Amino acid sequence: KQEVTQIPAALSVPEGENLVLNCSFTDSAIYNLQWFRQDPGKGLTSLLLIQSSQREQTSGRLNASLDKSSGRSTLYIAASQPGDSATYLCAVLFGNEKLTFGTGTRLTIIP
Amino acid sequence: NAGVTQTPKFQVLKTGQSMTLQCAQDMNHEYMSWYRQDPGMGLRLIHYSVGAGITDQGEVPNGYNVSRSTTEDFPLRLLSAAPSQTSVYFCASQLRGREAFFGQGTRLTVV
Repeated sequence: KQEVTQIPAALSVPEGENLVLNCSFTDSAIYNLQWFRQDPGKGLTSLLLIQSSQREQTSGRLNASLDKSSGRSTLYIAASQPGDSATYLCAVLFGNEKLTFGTGTRLTIIP
Repeated sequence: NAGVTQTPKFQVLKTGQSMTLQCAQDMNHEYMSWYRQDPGMGLRLIHYSVGAGITDQGEVPNGYNVSRSTTEDFPLRLLSAAPSQTSVYFCASQLRGREAFFGQGTRLTVV
């Protein structure tokens, strides 16, 4: 079964620190991997998309990496801010064209 | 562009009632999908469509029906609502293998 795992489920970090969120998946035959942000009671906002042929993508303070061989992706957030507090979701588009989500990491940035 | 539009935003149903959740996109995306989000379970795929006239089941299809008569619309029908269908429902659209865009969600309560 194709699965996506995000550990830890929750993370608290002091403001200003750099941090890494983790995502692992069970099948290396993927089209792409996408990171989303979800604020409480809201929809999903796309942050970064990495195609299977890419190793990383950057947007502002965010950098996402992809290692298909090990089935892992990381989302690096530089110089964290209280506004970064949200749940971060990783989703993998596998070869069967089904987008599969992890259960997310709830990030709290402490002022 | 409005992106992905879901209606209604909130709905309360009695057990046994039926209803349709609406989803429309104006990006000419061929791929559309429905997810439900439950605490601790992440987003789970209900049904998806790779184009007008083509639909397929996801991970949790029981109790739901879909059709895709146009590229723009992908309604989700609850045939006979049950308390277990209380959830937040998200619709998404994307070009094949590209970034997925999500609606703001429909919060459904079945009493």
